[in-house]
Amino acid sequence: GAVVSQHPSRVICKSGTSVKIECRSLDFQATTMFWYRQFPKQSLMLMATSNEGSKATYEQGVEKDKFLINHASLTLSTLTVTSAHPEDSSFYICSARGKEPGLINQPQHFGDGTRLSIL
Amino acid sequence: GNSVTQMEGPVTLSEEAFLTINCTYTATGYPSLFWYVQYPGEGLQLLLKATKADDKGSNKGFEATYRKETTSFHLEKGSVQVSDSAVYFCALSVVSGGYNKLIFGAGTRLAVHP
Repeated sequence: GAVVSQHPSRVICKSGTSVKIECRSLDFQATTMFWYRQFPKQSLMLMATSNEGSKATYEQGVEKDKFLINHASLTLSTLTVTSAHPEDSSFYICSARGKEPGLINQPQHFGDGTRLSIL
Repeated sequence: GNSVTQMEGPVTLSEEAFLTINCTYTATGYPSLFWYVQYPGEGLQLLLKATKADDKGSNKGFEATYRKETTSFHLEKGSVQVSDSAVYFCALSVVSGGYNKLIFGAGTRLAVHP
């Protein structure tokens, strides 16, 4: 159980292109989804948190207009990197957390990540 | 503030050796603690967790005990296998800005040789 599917797994595109990454919870309802960015051999940096049906909360230093997040349903969140440039190349990972009544600090379930390469 | 410190890698071991990866944390309140594992080119998988002091999380031969007095959550395994080669992340969960967030350590790469 608790499977999160992320698509695509790899994207290579030209500078200036906008890229959309999907994150789906396959067997549970994800009330909260998280988007992380990971540079080579480094830890995960939280970019934003989104709750279904509301605007995402971005971490300090993350450009809202650059990284558009939509959490339109309880099973789908999308991250769109707008007008991507080479410095946006990175490994992007989503995670999802369901709502389990009475259980605090339940774990996040991670997708397999998307490697984005901007030429 | 809230932070997680892990021992630097890489950690290189022979198969069947004993593994310890140190993790210490600073946190306000009472965090839950986690170990995640990341295999090459993949996302993170939850390995084990502990939600309160003195809890021991265990899975697949790995274990870690939540030590409040030393603010530690060291990961151990008695006999590692080549298939355990991966990056291991220690993390804590805190409420910040109204949300439950994970704060990760830098990760420790483990390489196990036959």
